[in-house]
Amino acid sequence: QVQLQESGPGLVKPSQTLSLTCTVSGGSISSGSYYWSWIRQPAGKGLEWIGRIYTSGSTNYNPSLKSRVTISVDTSKNQFSLKLSSVTAADTAVYYCARDLRYYDFWSGFDPWGQGTLVTVSS
Amino acid sequence: EIVLTQSPGTLSLSPGERATLSCRASQSVSSSYLAWYQQKPGQAPRLLIYGASSRATGIPDRFSGSGSGTDFTLTISRLEPEDFAVYYCQQYGSSEFTFGPGTKVDIK
Repeated sequence: QVQLQESGPGLVKPSQTLSLTCTVSGGSISSGSYYWSWIRQPAGKGLEWIGRIYTSGSTNYNPSLKSRVTISVDTSKNQFSLKLSSVTAADTAVYYCARDLRYYDFWSGFDPWGQGTLVTVSS
Repeated sequence: EIVLTQSPGTLSLSPGERATLSCRASQSVSSSYLAWYQQKPGQAPRLLIYGASSRATGIPDRFSGSGSGTDFTLTISRLEPEDFAVYYCQQYGSSEFTFGPGTKVDIK
């Protein structure tokens, strides 16, 4: 059973770059038609999709964050990563990673999810 | 961008009652690309329904999804104590995903 685990600094200073990694266990990140996403959730608020990467390396980003986001994959480590530049307090949130599958007209939804990691932007 | 609106914002019900949650899209969404999630405090969201009406693995049959076009519904036939949570709908279109703002189902 595939499991995802987020890791990275819990505190980032304003204007710096937030960097997180999602480690995939129980399966290969390269297998199948899977996409790997980042989602975030500010405290007490809803979910916001940040972007995703396919195993080939192709990416899609939320247009509202696109200028600041980079998602990459390291198949040798079975990980994918998020970088969000020029952060402000508004980027403080729990960050989740998740997997989905799209094959022709079939889409699986986001499953599984990591447990989430809180990132606070503060000086 | 397709905007999802969920109603009501909060639904106060008793265990054993039926819950009906609505998700409305600003433009038509393919049923293949509509999902529902449950989230409890301090936990990651859990996939309930994908493809508008297909239950995810391990999801009890008291959860059902329906709808098409711009109007989708999540129904919980008889609320169990563990079902009191926040529910989100999500859509995929034009290479991006959006979530609704959520409906909180709390105990009356």
